[in-house]
Amino acid sequence: EADIYQTPRYLVIGTGKKITLECSQTMGHDKMYWYQQDPGMELHLIHYSYGVNSTEKGDLSSESTVSRIRTEHFPLTLESARPSHTSQYLCASSRPGLNTGELFFGEGSRLTVL
Amino acid sequence: AQTVTQSQPEMSVQEAETVTLSCTYDTSESDYYLFWYKQPPSRQMILVIRQEAYKQQNATENRFSVNFQKAAKSFSLKISDSQLGDAAMYFCAYEAGNMLTFGGGTRLMVKP
Repeated sequence: EADIYQTPRYLVIGTGKKITLECSQTMGHDKMYWYQQDPGMELHLIHYSYGVNSTEKGDLSSESTVSRIRTEHFPLTLESARPSHTSQYLCASSRPGLNTGELFFGEGSRLTVL
Repeated sequence: AQTVTQSQPEMSVQEAETVTLSCTYDTSESDYYLFWYKQPPSRQMILVIRQEAYKQQNATENRFSVNFQKAAKSFSLKISDSQLGDAAMYFCAYEAGNMLTFGGGTRLMVKP
């Protein structure tokens, strides 16, 4: 099992609440990613980071924001959650270097906004 | 932009039989990587197998092998001697320039 952890695993909240999904890895990986995945559907990259103080938006537009203050930590925040944010959010990391290809995924955070 | 297409939303296989999952991709790059990832229900997604585009030999990992056809931009996954634990979503992915693009996934069911 990979050393990448996401909390919470499941979260049900009301509209308008602020939430932060936590992601931590203990492998010293520089690159980290957030994907959004509806059940049984493809993954869409929403944010990525190549290292501390580096964050970029992915292919899918998202109202969420991320930060990378420490190598091991890459939290995702929604300032005001809406039902359209209901989805599974997967965090991943990869080793330094080009084209290593292998992503290590967390178990995911399944968010439901009522 | 690169695209990855998995034309089989669902596949079913009898335990101990062989199944092939299809994947096609579109790219103008000559140097890239292709992957198959497995996502079991409520568990972490893991890498199953990787293929470098410059290698002609098809990658193999135990019961998993690929049929890589570069000219046809095809990358299928063959699972031999299927086991109940192989039941999962399988995602084909393409990488060039450090960014992965995933296909839509194929749900594999294994019948005992």
